[in-house]
Amino acid sequence: QLQLEESGPGLLKPSETLSLTCAVSGVSISRTSYHWGWIRQPPEKGLEWIGTIYYSGDTYYNPSLQSRVAISRDTSKNQFSLRLNSVTAADTAVYYCATYYGSGSAFDHWGQGTLVSVSS
Amino acid sequence: DVVMTQSPLSLPVTLGQPASISCRSSQSLVYSDGNTYLTWFQQRPGQSPRRLIYQVSNRDSGVPDRFSGSGSGTDFTLKISRVEAEDVGVYYCMQGTHRTLTFGGGTKVEIK
Repeated sequence: QLQLEESGPGLLKPSETLSLTCAVSGVSISRTSYHWGWIRQPPEKGLEWIGTIYYSGDTYYNPSLQSRVAISRDTSKNQFSLRLNSVTAADTAVYYCATYYGSGSAFDHWGQGTLVSVSS
Repeated sequence: DVVMTQSPLSLPVTLGQPASISCRSSQSLVYSDGNTYLTWFQQRPGQSPRRLIYQVSNRDSGVPDRFSGSGSGTDFTLKISRVEAEDVGVYYCMQGTHRTLTFGGGTKVEIK
């Protein structure tokens, strides 16, 4: 059964770097046609796509975050990671990792989400 | 970026009655392969989003058949034929056709 679990610090100060990891079980993250993404949700607000790392290892980011974000993977640990530099209070959100198979970015498996708060 | 506009923002519904949510995109969601990558998610209170419908009208395994999706081009609809208490939550549409993925603002379904 495919499962995803986010982990990382829950509290950051402004200007610090957000680093989260998504541990995957049930499928290899390098398996053909599985793609892996990060989505966030500020408190009481809607969903925002951050970026995706494709099974090939290629990445694509939301242009609104592109200058600050990087998604990478560690196939030996079957996990992928998110880095977001220079955080501000506006980056406070629940961060989800998710996956989909094939085309269309229709994420069908999600992690439980992890709340990251940015405060001085 | 493609803007996804959902309406209504809030949808109070009587148990057993139908509900309908609209999602409109600022550009066509027909991809070059002929498919339309419009997805509906349900987010129950305190839970992660759950995919209900993909490619406009394909219901996911385990999703009750009272949920249905329809539409084409830029205009899409999610319908619940008879709302049950477990359907309370926020519903989001999302387009995966254009490279920058975008979500609608969400529609909150609540029981009257």
